[in-house]
Amino acid sequence: AQRVTQPEKLLSVFKGAPVELKCNYSYSGSPELFWYVQYSRQRLQLLLRHISRESIKGFTADLNKGETSFHLKKPFAQEEDSAMYYCALSAEIQGAQKLVFGQGTRLTINP
Amino acid sequence: KAGVTQTPRYLIKTRGQQVTLSCSPISGHRSVSWYQQTPGQGLQFLFEYFSETQRNKGNFPGRFSGRQFSNSRSEMNVSTLELGDSALYLCASSHRVVGANYGYTFGSGTRLTVV
Repeated sequence: AQRVTQPEKLLSVFKGAPVELKCNYSYSGSPELFWYVQYSRQRLQLLLRHISRESIKGFTADLNKGETSFHLKKPFAQEEDSAMYYCALSAEIQGAQKLVFGQGTRLTINP
Repeated sequence: KAGVTQTPRYLIKTRGQQVTLSCSPISGHRSVSWYQQTPGQGLQFLFEYFSETQRNKGNFPGRFSGRQFSNSRSEMNVSTLELGDSALYLCASSHRVVGANYGYTFGSGTRLTVV
């Protein structure tokens, strides 16, 4: 079965400190992984996709197939990074796609 | 271009009633998915529609149903509402081609409160 695990429900770091949000997945196929972010009172929005290997707002995420992980990292946290972060796996089931979300990590950046 | 539009934004219903939620995807997107978001369960997949066909369904009771129209707009219906159905219902549209996934764009959601 497809599963996404975000072990930390809450994460608090100081401004300027490095931040890492952990994500592990379970999927027998070739994974397509995403990070979504939800700022206070805003809609859920795509932050980045593993396939594009991009850096958005200073965040990067590397897919590690050996460890089945897709951790989100930023070297220097900013207060505006405070939000809810969701790791998601796009799984193909009987020819149809389904996006499976982790439980989310609430990131708080302290001044 | 316009984003994913969900209507209404807020709904208050009583137990036993039924409700219909609407979602208009981004123009050109033919795939529409629905999710239920609650503090306890997080984001739970309800179903996905592509070209008017339900292609995937999550683990929700039959009271939850949906459909998609020829213009890709989608509706979700919940019958015989229960208190536990109170949640934020999110719609997402995507542009999907075989072998590629460009990610989903989410609407602002419909907050349903069942009293």
